Amino acid sequence: SQQGEEDPQALSIQEGENATMNCSYKTSINNLQWYRQNSGRGLVHLILIRSNEREKHSGRLRVTLDTSKKSSSLLITASRAADTASYFCATVASINDMRFGAGTRLTVKP
Amino acid sequence: EAGVAQSPRYKIIEKRQSVAFWCNPISGHATLYWYQQILGQGPKLLIQFQNNGVVDDSQLPKDRFSAERLKGVDSTLKIQPAKLEDSAVYLCASTLGTLHGNEQFFGPGTRLTVL
Repeated sequence: SQQGEEDPQALSIQEGENATMNCSYKTSINNLQWYRQNSGRGLVHLILIRSNEREKHSGRLRVTLDTSKKSSSLLITASRAADTASYFCATVASINDMRFGAGTRLTVKP
Repeated sequence: EAGVAQSPRYKIIEKRQSVAFWCNPISGHATLYWYQQILGQGPKLLIQFQNNGVVDDSQLPKDRFSAERLKGVDSTLKIQPAKLEDSAVYLCASTLGTLHGNEQFFGPGTRLTVL
């Protein structure tokens, strides 16, 4: 079963705009990870945030984590057409328990 | 650095046939995962290996699915016999160690279509 639930399911924006995707989960976690998947390809790790962290940055990516609300958000700033992909959050509750959500399909129009 | 290799990339079979997928993880990665990704959904873990031992196969449909990693390096996943609902992308991933939620490196996947 999947733990994380991404919102929205699909998002369409213009190049240069910011894209925000949210992930909610139900149980306590050790860390939460975000992955990107281009059409027909495998997943690529973007960023990992631990349960004792509130915010992390990587280039144009900003991830926040609110463990009290059991939610995380991924912000992509100044989006590009190449950012078009599906984005998944994965919650890690224990060493053997990593669960992916259903993903957000992001389309960035040139 | 070479990534995770998978073959074949595509496979079309009829229901009740058998099929096998192969994965070669990144050199030195001790942990290997097989996921099933149905269209429109996120990956679902089927089985996790630590070297050549099974760590978690709780979501593997053992009546038809089997997997092995005999020498602790490459791995095969088999479906016998296949059902229509097995149509999906089968992803292999590997991580260097066993720490909590290590970054996983994914292969390109094998797209299986069962007719």
